[in-house]
Amino acid sequence: GAVVSQHPSRVICKSGTSVKIECRSLDFQATTMFWYRQFPKQSLMLMATSNEGSKATYEQGVEKDKFLINHASLTLSTLTVTSAHPEDSSFYICSARDPGQGRYNEQFFGPGTRLTVL
Amino acid sequence: AQTVTQSQPEMSVQEAETVTLSCTYDTSESDYYLFWYKQPPSRQMILVIRQEAYKQQNATENRFSVNFQKAAKSFSLKISDSQLGDAAMYFCASKEGAQKLVFGQGTRLTINP
Repeated sequence: GAVVSQHPSRVICKSGTSVKIECRSLDFQATTMFWYRQFPKQSLMLMATSNEGSKATYEQGVEKDKFLINHASLTLSTLTVTSAHPEDSSFYICSARDPGQGRYNEQFFGPGTRLTVL
Repeated sequence: AQTVTQSQPEMSVQEAETVTLSCTYDTSESDYYLFWYKQPPSRQMILVIRQEAYKQQNATENRFSVNFQKAAKSFSLKISDSQLGDAAMYFCASKEGAQKLVFGQGTRLTINP
C-alpha cells in the first residue's frame, strides 16, 4: 500500500516560535493532501486541503495566517504553525490522495505529529 | 453538507465474540463512499473497510463486515472473532465523490480477555 510519512513525529517548542511539519508521499505522487487536527479523545478535524501548485483551501474557522500550508511538489506538503501558543498543542495528521486510485481516490494517512507548545 | 454520527462513544466485547459498531450518515449526493477507519494507540489511521454507495452488496474484509442500509443511511461495522489487537478507536467516515472525508465522533472499542 501507499506510504505517507510525517516529520517530525514529536515537537516541543516555546510560545511565540514557529514550527514546520512535513508530509511526504513516499511511493506515489499526491496532487492533493489534507491536514487534520485531533484533540485528545476526539475525532479528526479537517483544517485545510492542499493542492500542488496552488493555494490551500482552509475550512471555516481555521486561520490561514496562523497555519501556513505549502504544497510545492507532488510529494511534499508542509504545515507551518506560526507564532505558536499553548492552545495550538495538538496532534496533527496529514493524508495524501492517490489519483492512481481512479474514481475511488483513497486517502493514505501519515503517522501524525504531536505538537506541544510550552 | 455531509454529516456522520456515531452514537456509541465506547463499546466493549469479550475476546472471540462479535461486536457491532453503529454509524449513521447524511448526504444529498448519490455518488458517495463510506469507510471505517481504525486508530490504535499509535494514532496511525488504518483503513478497515470501504463501501461504494452504488454497490448493494455489503463489503467484507476477513473478520470485518458492514451492514449498509442505504435507505436508512446506516453503515454499521461488525467485527467477528474479536481479537486483542482490535482494541482501538474506530471512526466512520463518508466522502462525496472526490471531496473531503467527513468523520464521525469515534467509538472506543475495548476487548476483554
